[in-house]
Amino acid sequence: DGGITQSPKYLFRKEGQNVTLSCEQNLNHDAMYWYRQDPGQGLRLIYYSQIVNDFQKGDIAEGYSVSREKKESFPLTVTSAQKNPTAFYLCASSTSGSFEETQYFGPGTRLLVL
Amino acid sequence: AQSVTQLDSQVPVFEEAPVELRCNYSSSVSVYLFWYVQYPNQGLQLLLKYLSGSTLVKGINGFEAEFNKSQTSFHLRKPSVHISDTAEYFCAVSPFQGAQKLVFGQGTRLTINP
Repeated sequence: DGGITQSPKYLFRKEGQNVTLSCEQNLNHDAMYWYRQDPGQGLRLIYYSQIVNDFQKGDIAEGYSVSREKKESFPLTVTSAQKNPTAFYLCASSTSGSFEETQYFGPGTRLLVL
Repeated sequence: AQSVTQLDSQVPVFEEAPVELRCNYSSSVSVYLFWYVQYPNQGLQLLLKYLSGSTLVKGINGFEAEFNKSQTSFHLRKPSVHISDTAEYFCAVSPFQGAQKLVFGQGTRLTINP
């Protein structure tokens, strides 16, 4: 089955710690995205990538970093600079990143601060 | 810049009753319009999208939406809801500019009561 997998489902972060959220897709999509979801605020774009080895900041990139070394993988690191990391994080992909395309979402990772 | 306003944060309805979820948007450029659904603790999936042509768009699970350019609205409707429609619904726009960067509304939580 083609789709997007995110791991882990739940992640706990200690103060001052960096954590990395995994996102893998086998849809052969070029474009991948990371969103943050907070209650009552909808989804906000953190980073996106339209091609391997290239990525762009979204609306709330501060305190986050990404890499895109392989087409199928787009990991997100939440750094210690992100002071309020508790949220639901969603990864998505689309064929090429063109503005009319459907984005396909993974099941999400819930990040909690200890 | 674009913004999306979903006029109701929560909508409770009885099973088999009709429902309308309201969405208004603001944009200085033309946009494509989307409705996504999120079931509890899951990622989002596309319900329907408006790209061009007929302003009445039909989607999955019996939902439809009507694009009204003069009122900058894209309301979602279903004539008869089921318990399984309980979910959060997000309206989103994608501007005709560069790479796809979806702008989401705050979401509407639809609760179906028996």
